[in-house]
Amino acid sequence: AQTVTQSQPEMSVQEAETVTLSCTYDTSESDYYLFWYKQPPSRQMILVIRQEAYKQQNATENRFSVNFQKAAKSFSLKISDSQLGDAAMYFCAYRRSSDYKLSFGAGTTVTVRA
Amino acid sequence: DTGVSQDPRHKITKRGQNVTFRCDPISEHNRLYWYRQTLGQGPEFLTYFQNEAQLEKSRLLSDRFSAERPKGSFSTLEIQRTEQGDSAMYLCASSLNSYIYFGEGSWLTVV
Repeated sequence: AQTVTQSQPEMSVQEAETVTLSCTYDTSESDYYLFWYKQPPSRQMILVIRQEAYKQQNATENRFSVNFQKAAKSFSLKISDSQLGDAAMYFCAYRRSSDYKLSFGAGTTVTVRA
Repeated sequence: DTGVSQDPRHKITKRGQNVTFRCDPISEHNRLYWYRQTLGQGPEFLTYFQNEAQLEKSRLLSDRFSAERPKGSFSTLEIQRTEQGDSAMYLCASSLNSYIYFGEGSWLTVV
């Protein structure tokens, strides 16, 4: 079974600063996808960024970037130039390439201080 | 709005009653998923459909739970004889390729 671990229940960041969220996962697969989802309070879950395991290059989406370390099974999310609208619960998720269901971590609550 | 739509958004029910949630996926999406999320936790997979076929069910989906997707369009998730432990948010999602889009969820409170 695949497990996803987010060891930081909460993180706080000053507006315009950078914050990094940690995620580790356990799998015996070689081909899979990793995701970061954002879930604002009472709002729907939104995909932030996606990484294919076969790609060595780290994915980047505007102010969001990942550090994917396949051998270490680590997938951290960096939010640069944090904005008030970044405040949300962030979930790391894993999916085998041969499957369609996502396995989620427990989430990290990000608070942005003005 | 062409996103994933769920109804009702909130439901309060007495223990032992049946409840049904509906999900309308993004129109061209052939895969539809149900997840359950409790407060402070990540979503847990319940089941998924490819078109009208239910291809996988989690062990979390007890025999009190049933999901359908007639004609491969909308889906319903019914919970019979609700228990307090069923209180959670039930998330629906849909996909055409590897990008999965979520609805806003249906909150269930069993009192």
